[in-house]
Amino acid sequence: NAGVMQNPRHLVRRRGQEARLRCSPVKGHSHVYWYRQLPEEGLKFMVYLQKENIIDESGMPKERFSAEFPKEGPSILRIQQVVRGDSAAYFCASSPWSSYSSYNSPLHFGNGTRLTVT
Amino acid sequence: AQTVTQSQPEMSVQEAETVTLSCTYDTSESDYYLFWYKQPPSRQMILVIRQEAYKQQNATENRFSVNFQKAAKSFSLKISDSQLGDAAMYFCAANYGGATNKLIFGTGTLLAVQP
Repeated sequence: NAGVMQNPRHLVRRRGQEARLRCSPVKGHSHVYWYRQLPEEGLKFMVYLQKENIIDESGMPKERFSAEFPKEGPSILRIQQVVRGDSAAYFCASSPWSSYSSYNSPLHFGNGTRLTVT
Repeated sequence: AQTVTQSQPEMSVQEAETVTLSCTYDTSESDYYLFWYKQPPSRQMILVIRQEAYKQQNATENRFSVNFQKAAKSFSLKISDSQLGDAAMYFCAANYGGATNKLIFGTGTLLAVQP
């Protein structure tokens, strides 16, 4: 079984460009989470999506950032007009359901996309 | 605020020795889940061990075990018989419940294993 697949692994963008990060969850998982890891920091929650719905975007900046998880295809994290402060590793994680019992449905993480803004 | 704190930015251990990584957390919830993740240079996030707060018994996974002190809100990770492959960043994380199942992470401890 393939795990969570993220691409690209590395992405370089100039200031003002758009960055699109893709995440294919584990087959059969319908819940996707995006986390951001700034240098020397832990992972910070950004957004939680189910198929075609954003459930919790409390950790996502209000401007320039958006996320989607369409009925078909991967989840996309989109950053418009990138700035140097957006440089980070972005991780996607998936789970089969959003029960409180995360012990039984732990998050499966991808290997992340490292975004560098020059 | 619900937080997770790792106060050791870096630790070092000799191969075959034992090391303990510290983690404290803060929540008013009575039930929650705690995790340790390992992140090697490849950036992959690997679940090492997990603990349910209502379980008294400390979790164990082979050479990895935890010391869970609920009253003190402490959740330390002990690695026994350390191996070179254990060298990585280790993150403590908590799921305090709610509908989103999201994790709150500490800032990590970088573990070096000396041959």
